[in-house]
Amino acid sequence: AQSVTQPDIHITVSEGASLELRCNYSYGATPYLFWYVQSPGQGLQLLLKYFSGDTLVQGIKGFEAEFKRSQSSFNLRKPSVHWSDAAEYFCAVDNFNKFYFGSGTKLNVKP
Amino acid sequence: DTGVSQNPRHKITKRGQNVTFRCDPISEHNRLYWYRQTLGQGPEFLTYFQNEAQLEKSRLLSDRFSAERPKGSFSTLEIQRTEQGDSAMYLCASSPPTGDYEQYFGPGTRLTVT
Repeated sequence: AQSVTQPDIHITVSEGASLELRCNYSYGATPYLFWYVQSPGQGLQLLLKYFSGDTLVQGIKGFEAEFKRSQSSFNLRKPSVHWSDAAEYFCAVDNFNKFYFGSGTKLNVKP
Repeated sequence: DTGVSQNPRHKITKRGQNVTFRCDPISEHNRLYWYRQTLGQGPEFLTYFQNEAQLEKSRLLSDRFSAERPKGSFSTLEIQRTEQGDSAMYLCASSPPTGDYEQYFGPGTRLTVT
């Protein structure tokens, strides 16, 4: 069965520090992978997506993610975190038009 | 393009009552999805429409749940005889007919069953 694992429930980083959020998936075929961000009271907003090609993808707000097939991972990174990045982040796999989401990682940003 | 809209944004109901939620997708998006999100979890797939055809339903969608998309535009999700376990955020998303596999999410309807 398809599954998405985000092993970190909460992460706290200082403003200006680098960030990496982990995502591992279990999927039989070449996956379509996504990262979404959800702020309180807001809908899910797409940060970036991977379909094929270059395994390092750039997204909005300075985020990037790297697809590593050998590790079944699609980790999200940002070199310098801003206070406005505090939110919950979800990794998702597309399986024939159904999205399977991880349980999310809540990011806190210290001043 | 005004995005996906959902109404109401919040609904409080008593156990046993019926509730209906509405989702208006982005115009010309032929695919529409419903998800449920409980506290501390990611969204879980409920059902999926392509135009007016309901193509897939999750086992999470019990007999008390029904979704429709009669003209291939807006969709409704009805929950009959609500239970406290139905309390959750119900999310709607839509996606275009070609190319982009991205799903565009609405703000959700938060249901509280008392």
